[in-house]
Amino acid sequence: EAQVTQNPRYLITVTGKKLTVTCSQNMNHEYMSWYRQDPGLGLRQIYYSMNVEVTDKGDVPEGYKVSRKEKRNFPLILESPSPNQTSLYFCASSFGQASYEQYFGPGTRLTVT
Amino acid sequence: SQQGEEDPQALSIQEGENATMNCSYKTSINNLQWYRQNSGRGLVHLILIRSNEREKHSGRLRVTLDTSKKSSSLLITASRAADTASYFCATAGRMEYGNKLVFGAGTILRVKS
Repeated sequence: EAQVTQNPRYLITVTGKKLTVTCSQNMNHEYMSWYRQDPGLGLRQIYYSMNVEVTDKGDVPEGYKVSRKEKRNFPLILESPSPNQTSLYFCASSFGQASYEQYFGPGTRLTVT
Repeated sequence: SQQGEEDPQALSIQEGENATMNCSYKTSINNLQWYRQNSGRGLVHLILIRSNEREKHSGRLRVTLDTSKKSSSLLITASRAADTASYFCATAGRMEYGNKLVFGAGTILRVKS
């Protein structure tokens, strides 16, 4: 089944404790991205990647890191999480570019206390 | 910066009625996409309309695009209780603005049975 998977689905952590949210897709998509969703703000893009070893900042990259060492995986790293990073996070992928139909993962609900 | 803005923010209708949601954006686009999100879950792609298209249909969905007014509308005909969800427009801009998809804040649709 074609899908985007994220882990963990739920995470409660404390300020400053490094964490990684994994994202994997099995559709051989070149383009992958991370979004955060906050009430009243819609989805805001954090980082995106057009292919292996090619990443770029979205609209809200501060406090986040990404890497794309393999085509199928695009982990999101929070080196020192803060409470303002409490949010619902989505990974998405598509063929080629942002202008193509995006396939979304199920989401990761992160709480930083 | 947020590109698309939907209105209304929330819409409540009876089953069988039509639902219309509007989206406005600010810069030139490559295409505009609509997505649906059931409560707290991943987004699902509904329909994509290119900048040189004016109208597109998919089942009970009808999307229009007016590039001169920088606006789009999504019409859901003969609504069902299962259409209850949040609906987001997303714009894919020209490549000089970055390979990004920018989402609006969404319209919450409630269909009462």
